[in-house]
Amino acid sequence: DIVMTQSPDSLAVSLGERATINCKSSQSVLYSSNNKNYLAWYQHKAGQPPKLLIYWASARESGVPDRFSGSGSGADFTLTISSLQAEDVAVYYCQQYYSTSLTFGGGTKVEIK
Amino acid sequence: EVQLVQSGAEVKKPGESLKISCKGSGYRFTSYWIGWVRQMPGKGLEWMGSISPGDSDTRYNPSFQGQVTISADKSITTAYLQWSSLKASDTAMYYCARIGLEAAGPLYFQHWGQGTLVTVSS
Repeated sequence: DIVMTQSPDSLAVSLGERATINCKSSQSVLYSSNNKNYLAWYQHKAGQPPKLLIYWASARESGVPDRFSGSGSGADFTLTISSLQAEDVAVYYCQQYYSTSLTFGGGTKVEIK
Repeated sequence: EVQLVQSGAEVKKPGESLKISCKGSGYRFTSYWIGWVRQMPGKGLEWMGSISPGDSDTRYNPSFQGQVTISADKSITTAYLQWSSLKASDTAMYYCARIGLEAAGPLYFQHWGQGTLVTVSS
């Protein structure tokens, strides 16, 4: 299985400041035939189902605010919240779909400082 | 509008069987894989397995193979997750989710059900 490792486990950021979450895969999730990274990001708020934010590593899902962005390639990826809002408090997960045995990262909890 | 509506919360005893459901609507049910994701109390998300409702092609996380069965009934646009003998360690929230691309294998999950809480306790 491809192991997804997120860092940090948690972070506290002031309102309006930048939050950066990292995700590293144990092998590359870049598919050479189409040059796509098989990596998604989700936001999971307490009491709600997870919500897709980013897919193909950097494509923003419809309706997701543009303060959320995904970057990276191969085995190293980043989710950035450019200006943290109160409603962004949640746990964020990366997920690889390069392998048909899907795997999630361990999650990063984002709080307000 | 795509919707996935899951069955309600369950409280069961160890050794009992259980089948929970996920009804899809608002899209062509047979064209999109559906997966099941577990979240144990205080823990992260774990993919359990996925099914293609059109032909019942099913993929399992090796950690869950043999422990659960995933199925689908396309005539009533419903996917299922079932256990033959529950354990206390099966206590968790279970989500169904639909992938984002038509006629593609297990990929990212674009639409999610509301979750089904399963509690197993003697």
